Amino acid sequence: DAGVTQSPTHLIKTRGQQVTLRCSPISGHKSVSWYQQVLGQGPQFIFQYYEKEERGRGNFPDRFSARQFPNYSSELNVNALLLGDSALYLCASSISEDRGLYGYTFGSGTRLTVV
Amino acid sequence: DQQVKQNSPSLSVQEGRISILNCDYTNSMFDYFLWYKKYPAEGPTFLISISSIKDKNEDGRFTVFLNKSAKHLSLHIVPSQPGDSAVYFCAASLNFGNEKLTFGTGTRLTIIP
Repeated sequence: DAGVTQSPTHLIKTRGQQVTLRCSPISGHKSVSWYQQVLGQGPQFIFQYYEKEERGRGNFPDRFSARQFPNYSSELNVNALLLGDSALYLCASSISEDRGLYGYTFGSGTRLTVV
Repeated sequence: DQQVKQNSPSLSVQEGRISILNCDYTNSMFDYFLWYKKYPAEGPTFLISISSIKDKNEDGRFTVFLNKSAKHLSLHIVPSQPGDSAVYFCAASLNFGNEKLTFGTGTRLTIIP
């Protein structure tokens, strides 16, 4: 069974550019969440989507946006990139809106470097 | 405002001994707690969870203890094995159905053979 897949695995962008990160959840999982992990910190919640609707948003500026498609895959977009956006971006899926007793399943992440 | 804190950035333990990882939280509304393990170049992997109505949950070599009055939880690994070497994150949520997890900064556990 394929786990949560994220693409690309690494990318380098210049300040001011825009970036789109992609996530495919585990088959049958309808909920996707995005987290940002800055070096030396724990992951921070950005968004949660369930059945294509936004169900939660963390304390991130409006430069961050996301969407979920009918096949439950998801994209995270970041506009006007800043150096501080350099981080590991993690996608997590769960079978329902309620993650259940078993937590999320995380992907391996996309390492974004802004120069 | 760090609501979930892991005050030990690193911990080294002899193989076969007990590893104890600690986590403190400040938000008394947190209702559900989880531990994740993370290897380099991989996403976090769920280990074990505990609801605030319990004070202990056990799964094989892993046991999580919750002390609500002290706002403290700990993860015990017995016996520790080399494959347990990883970064461990404590996470909390406001209720069972709440998707937003608040993570601590992690503790790097090294098991010495």
